Amino acid sequence: ETGVTQTPRHLVMGMTNKKSLKCEQHLGHNAMYWYKQSAKKPLELMFVYNFKEQTENNSVPSRFSPECPNSSHLFLHLHTLQPEDSALYLCASSLRGDDGYTFGSGTRLTVV
Amino acid sequence: ILNVEQSPQSLHVQEGDSTNFTCSFPSSNFYALHWYRWETAKSPEALFVMTLNGDEKKKGRISATLNTKEGYSYLYIKGSQPEDSATYLCAPNAGNNRKLIWGLGTSLAVNP
Repeated sequence: ETGVTQTPRHLVMGMTNKKSLKCEQHLGHNAMYWYKQSAKKPLELMFVYNFKEQTENNSVPSRFSPECPNSSHLFLHLHTLQPEDSALYLCASSLRGDDGYTFGSGTRLTVV
Repeated sequence: ILNVEQSPQSLHVQEGDSTNFTCSFPSSNFYALHWYRWETAKSPEALFVMTLNGDEKKKGRISATLNTKEGYSYLYIKGSQPEDSATYLCAPNAGNNRKLIWGLGTSLAVNP
C-alpha cells in the first residue's frame, strides 16, 4: 500500500452505464491528480485539484466528471463512455504539487 | 510542447550487471525532473526529484544525475537484481504551467 487507495481495481462497463472511480489518501497531501494510461502511450494528465479546487482540466471530454469533496478524496464519474476510453486510470497525490507524487494502484477500466 | 525521450526503450541484463538509462528533454524553462519506478501490477513509485544542474542523487544501488543545460538525466543501477525489473519513467516539470510531462519509460528486465 502506498497510502493512496483506488477502488475498484477493475471495472467493466457498458457504454450507457454510469460508474464512479474513487481515490483516497490520508497522507496530508494537498494536491490530487487523475491520470490516464493507455497502451504504448505516456501517462496523460486529466485533472488536477489543489486544496479541493480544480486547477487543471487537460481538455478532457465531459463524459469524465471529477469531484473533490475534500483534500483526502477524489472521484471520477463516468457516463456514456466509448470503447477507446478503456485504459488504466491512476490517481496520485503530492504535498505541494512540485514534489514527488504518490500513486494509487489504478483502476483498469474496460468499456464494452 | 515538451518532447521527452527515454532510451533505450527496453533492456535485458543479467543479475549483477550495472546499467544506465537516459532521459532527454528540452532544457528551456526547466524546473525539476522526476524519476519513477513502475513494477508490473503495482503503483509508480517516486525515486528522485531533481532540480539543480549537476545534481546527483542516490537511493541504495540506484543513482541519478542531471544536466539541465543540455537537457538530460541519467539513471544508474549498480549490480542489478531481479527485483529491479520494472519500467523506469522520467518526467520533467517545466514550462509556464510546470506540468509533469511523462516519457514512455525504459523497461528493464533482470534475469537471475
